[in-house]
Amino acid sequence: GAVVSQHPSWVICKSGTSVKIECRSLDFQATTMFWYRQFPKQSLMLMATSNEGSKATYEQGVEKDKFLINHASLTLSTLTVTSAHPEDSSFYICSRRLAGGSYEQYFGPGTRLTVT
Amino acid sequence: KQEVTQIPAALSVPEGENLVLNCSFTDSAIYNLQWFRQDPGKGLTSLLLIQSSQREQTSGRLNASLDKSSGRSTLYIAASQPGDSATYLCAVTDSGGSNYKLTFGKGTLLTVNP
Repeated sequence: GAVVSQHPSWVICKSGTSVKIECRSLDFQATTMFWYRQFPKQSLMLMATSNEGSKATYEQGVEKDKFLINHASLTLSTLTVTSAHPEDSSFYICSRRLAGGSYEQYFGPGTRLTVT
Repeated sequence: KQEVTQIPAALSVPEGENLVLNCSFTDSAIYNLQWFRQDPGKGLTSLLLIQSSQREQTSGRLNASLDKSSGRSTLYIAASQPGDSATYLCAVTDSGGSNYKLTFGKGTLLTVNP
């Protein structure tokens, strides 16, 4: 069964508003989770690494003040898209990584964001 | 910077055919390589994971090989079925100081025709 859930699965918002996306690890505590963005017909691009109890690490070119990440518990990470614009419309996917061993990542079902 | 390339970008085959998807990566200092399946508008399903010390992994009709020194992996699908139609993504986990991040290819869109 699913080990990572995301909510909502899709959301439509107006330009200038903020949207929060939740990512939950359902079976194991996750000290590290990842947020990806996928544009149509493109591959997944890592946005940031979410670390429980500390600040997220953002990839080059990703605005940390626009994409706020909070990892306040070992099972929940949230991504807030602030002052959303139409160009932020995309498919956002989170993942949880096993600690040590294989470092295998398990992905959530994704959230489709449309900004009008 | 690690780059992952997948060939072909799209592939259409008749049902029952065996097929091979290719993946190449530029930096051989990887920790592992994963193959994923993505259905339209959905998240990713992990198919196979090959550790850097391994040469291949098998799961049912799927077989993935890894040649780390040459920076290549292949995903072999035997006796393809219409339900195999999806986008197949290859991703490598970089070792060392990268915090074990995944770098993805753009995927191969597979269509299996009944």
